Amino acid sequence: TQLLEQSPQFLSIQEGENLTVYCNSSSVFSSLQWYRQEPGEGPVLLVTVVTGGEVKKLKRLTFQFGDARKDSSLHITAAQPGDTGLYLCAGPSPRNFNKFYFGSGTKLNVKP
Amino acid sequence: DSGVTQTPKHLITATGQRVTLRCSPRSGDLSVYWYQQSLDQGLQFLIQYYNGEERAKGNILERFSAQQFPDLHSELNLSSLELGDSALYFCASSTSAVPTEAFFGQGTRLTVV
Repeated sequence: TQLLEQSPQFLSIQEGENLTVYCNSSSVFSSLQWYRQEPGEGPVLLVTVVTGGEVKKLKRLTFQFGDARKDSSLHITAAQPGDTGLYLCAGPSPRNFNKFYFGSGTKLNVKP
Repeated sequence: DSGVTQTPKHLITATGQRVTLRCSPRSGDLSVYWYQQSLDQGLQFLIQYYNGEERAKGNILERFSAQQFPDLHSELNLSSLELGDSALYFCASSTSAVPTEAFFGQGTRLTVV
């Protein structure tokens, strides 16, 4: 089983729609990161959330860390085709801080 | 540009062969991580080095090994290659031993034929 479960696995929407993707765990994380990966490229860090209940905004992207630090969400407002990609959450393993684990990702396709 | 450099970008080799993938971390970063990403799958953590020493091990096969050199660049050695080893191999680096965020290279696409 994955330490970090992401949902949905796939999402295909029209340009202009809003969407939310989720990252859940049964374990408490000291921090969580969100990355975006385009085909054939390495993941690019979008944000790090550290404090339970924290909300961070990056233009049309809103990231939230759950109060119990077991889950996180990414909300995109008015999605654009340029938002297409694989969205990954990641964080240091609660059992071994040296191990940095990734969720399986949400593959987003925004159609023009 | 993340500042992490991986070479080569592409590699095609035959089963049973051995290859070496190279990674130069961002300037000042002491930690290097190696990940494997198979088609349509997530990133599987392989191994981490910090300042020349192995720090953490993930799902790394015994046929695979890695090292980090005094100048902090790292190499991932894959031997007795099998078709199933075909994947994207990413290197990432961070400043500290305990990862809070990582910066990724563009990856090496390995194809085993």
